[in-house]
Amino acid sequence: QKEVEQNSGPLSVPEGAIASLNCTYSDRGSQSFFWYRQYSGKSPELIMFIYSNGDKEDGRFTAQLNKASQYVSLLIRDSQPSDSATYLCAVNESMGAQKLVFGQGTRLTINP
Amino acid sequence: SQTIHQWPATLVQPVGSPLSLECTVEGTSNPNLYWYRQAAGRGLQLLFYSVGIGQISSEVPQNLSASRPQDRQFILSSKKLLLSDSGFYLCAWSVGGTGENTEAFFGQGTRLTVV
Repeated sequence: QKEVEQNSGPLSVPEGAIASLNCTYSDRGSQSFFWYRQYSGKSPELIMFIYSNGDKEDGRFTAQLNKASQYVSLLIRDSQPSDSATYLCAVNESMGAQKLVFGQGTRLTINP
Repeated sequence: SQTIHQWPATLVQPVGSPLSLECTVEGTSNPNLYWYRQAAGRGLQLLFYSVGIGQISSEVPQNLSASRPQDRQFILSSKKLLLSDSGFYLCAWSVGGTGENTEAFFGQGTRLTVV
C-alpha cells in the first residue's frame, strides 16, 4: 500500500513568518510531487509541483524534494492570512496518467 | 485556456437511489480524466481514471462505475447509493498522451449526502 504521510496539524504561524509543511512518501519509485491548497468546502488548487531533487521557487512558495530521504516539503514565506487552508501533498507513482496518492493534509492557520 | 466543469455542486439522495455526476473539460483534446472522492476527515482517494474514450480503470472496488462516452466527458454513476457513498466527489484532468510528468487540475466538486 503506497502511502503519503503529513502532519495533520493544525499548524499555527504568525503573519509574515515562514510556514514549513512536510510530507514523506513510501514508494521509492515515485516520479512527481505536488502541493495543493484546499480552502474549506472547496476543491484542491495546485500551487506547486516538483519533479527533480532540490529546490523549486515560485513567488513566496518553495518546494523541496529529497528522493533519497523520500521527503518533500513546502515553504511559504511572508505568510498571509489568506494562506490559511489545508495543504495536500500528492505523489504520482508513474509518469503519464496522474494516479495521485494524497496525504491527509496539514491544516495551516496564519495568525494576524 | 482549459476549464473543467462539474455538476451539480451539491446533491442529497436517498439510500438506494441512482446517481449520475457529470464532468466536462474544455480547451484541450484527449485529456486524462479522473474521479476522486474525499470522505469526511479523510484524504482524497482515486476512484477511476481514463486515458481515452471508453477506457476506464478502476482503482478501488466499490458501488460506483464510470464512463467516458466522449473525449472530454466523464460520468460517475451508481445504480443504488449506500450511506457510505457520501462524500466530496472531484473530477480532475491532466494532459494526455505524453507519457511525461504532468499536473492534474480539479473541478469544483460535488458534495453528495446520502440519507
